[in-house]
Formats: sequence, structure tokens, C-alpha cells
Amino acid sequence: QVQLVESGGGLVKPGGSLRLSCAASGFTFSDYYMSWIRQAPGKGLEWVSYMSSSGTTIYYADSVKGRFTISRDNAKNSLYLQMNSLRAEDTAVYYCARVSREYSYIYDYYYYYMDVWGKGTTVTVSS
Amino acid sequence: SSELTQDPAVSVALGQTVRITCQGDSLRRYYASWYQQKPGQAPVLVIYGKNSRPSGIPDRFSGSSSGNTASLTITGAQAEDEADYYCNSRDSGGDHLVFGGGTKLTVL
Repeated sequence: QVQLVESGGGLVKPGGSLRLSCAASGFTFSDYYMSWIRQAPGKGLEWVSYMSSSGTTIYYADSVKGRFTISRDNAKNSLYLQMNSLRAEDTAVYYCARVSREYSYIYDYYYYYMDVWGKGTTVTVSS
Repeated sequence: SSELTQDPAVSVALGQTVRITCQGDSLRRYYASWYQQKPGQAPVLVIYGKNSRPSGIPDRFSGSSSGNTASLTITGAQAEDEADYYCNSRDSGGDHLVFGGGTKLTVL
């Protein structure tokens, strides 16, 4: 079945680095945009980054730009998030999600939605 | 601060209809998608596009939009619908995605 499984979370000191992975199965990974979303303890969802199917289009939330790097390996059906210069406020559950896009001919744009989510991996930044 | 604004909490009596709203300038141009999240679980997509439901989502869930406001309506709310609901869309610039702050739905 369609599945996303995140890994790589853990406890890291402020200023440290961590690399998250997301293993995809049950669908053609190379056909889809992919995204990372996080949720701080007791807080709402925050979009972090997304990457196009080929990897040529990448966007980051302002809160992580310059510190986090999203990447993918379509041959390995995997998505990654390299997180550097970590701060306490990066503490969160990090979810990997598949991004589907559909074109609206009425409005002449693509709309996005995240139709498959992993269970998440927890990142704690603390000294 | 979020570019999409949701009421923090809404309640509904069992079997009644409830509307959860999401406001933002980007919604004048882009469709919203809606996600249900229960405690300790990952979010689940419930509505996307103009008013589409993924397979497995009950037809009591529906979506609509007018001006800068997107709405998720649950017609005949059930106890299992008690959850946090988040809207999501492209931001005003079109390149980023943004979530609303979430609405906690209580079914009385």
C-alpha cells in the first residue's frame, strides 16, 4: 500500500545538525512533489519545504531557509531533510508528505494538496 | 503569524451541522485543502480542490469557498469527527504553502 516512513529524528544540541529520511513505497515516487511539514509540541502544523518531482523546484519556509536543505533520490524512493544550525524552536515532529497537484483550467493555476503523510519523526533540540 | 486564519475552537452537538472557516487573501485565488488530525496521529486529507474527497472520507465532509474564505462543513457530525482541523493553501506569492492555525472541533 501507499506508505511514507520517516526516520532520523533524535536529540541534538543547539547549533547541531541532523538528517531526516523519508522512505516511500506503493507509488511511483518520481512522479510526485514531496514536502516536509513540522508540528511543535502542542502547536499547529507548519509547512517547512517542498521539492518538485525532478528536484529542480525547491521552496523553503522563511523560518528554515539557509539552514535546512531538502533533497531526494528517486532511484531510492527517498526524500531527505538536512537540518543545520538547529535551534530550540526547531523542536517538533517532522512529517513527510506526498504532494499532489491538479490544474484548474478555470483559474489557470496548479493547486496542491498533501494526500499521503508519514507518521512522523521527533526532533528535539536541547542542551 | 499565519496568512490563513481559523477560529481556535468550535463545538457542535452530535448529529448537527458545523462549518469550520479559513480566511486569507490567498484564498481569493487558490483552493484550500483541509486536514483532520486526531491526538497522537498524523494529519489526514479530508477535502481538496473545489470540493473533492479522497476515497474513504465520508460524504458528510464537504468544502466550499467564497471570496477570501474557505469552509469545511460536516453535515451530521459524529463523535469520531472530534479532532483538530487545518486548512492549507498556497500563499499570496504562490510559491510557498501555508497552514491555518487549526480549529479544535468538539462534538458534544
